[in-house]
Amino acid sequence: GQQLNQSPQSMFIQEGEDVSMNCTSSSIFNTWLWYKQDPGEGPVLLIALYKAGELTSNGRLTAQFGITRKDSFLNISASIPSDVGIYFCAGLHGSGTYKYIFGTGTRLKVLA
Amino acid sequence: DTGVSQNPRHKITKRGQNVTFRCDPISEHNRLYWYRQTLGQGPEFLTYFQNEAQLEKSRLLSDRFSAERPKGSFSTLEIQRTEQGDSAMYLCASSLVFENTEAFFGQGTRLTVV
Repeated sequence: GQQLNQSPQSMFIQEGEDVSMNCTSSSIFNTWLWYKQDPGEGPVLLIALYKAGELTSNGRLTAQFGITRKDSFLNISASIPSDVGIYFCAGLHGSGTYKYIFGTGTRLKVLA
Repeated sequence: DTGVSQNPRHKITKRGQNVTFRCDPISEHNRLYWYRQTLGQGPEFLTYFQNEAQLEKSRLLSDRFSAERPKGSFSTLEIQRTEQGDSAMYLCASSLVFENTEAFFGQGTRLTVV
């Protein structure tokens, strides 16, 4: 099935560092979502974005809905060990089709 | 707990057997989704319901797979004549019926076909 491109695929960072990741699509979305998934668990919603250019924060997390509506970005500030996991973006076209298309994931590992 | 609930959490079955999974969505959510996730991949869309109507099915949903949501509340996903390639995490999610809305996932059912 279709999947969005996420970059980077994986990253090791030191505790306290900031993290940036992005998600790109060949098509336009009306909604962008960011999830975090721990091993053996379902994805947990972090942030939802509904308008092009929108910037939304949730604690140390900040996400942006790209102006072109074909991309989105997630930043994590001052990373901590519990930030370890896989981060997925998901896009929703809307307007008649309501399936969420997921990215390939960014695996984050934080070194204490 | 008012989140999405999936049962069982784990299922080990022999090749050729049938399996059925259940999903209970968040109570006021009218849309219900099924996804499949294999190791190292993002969730892949299988199908979704709006109330009891199954509105979209992926080509991944072969004729051995069937999903139902008979009363617009809980849903079941059945896999007949399981194959080793069916081994995956099966995820259920639910959402409200708005043009733009977020989906909330359950903890998933891990299927292992031996």
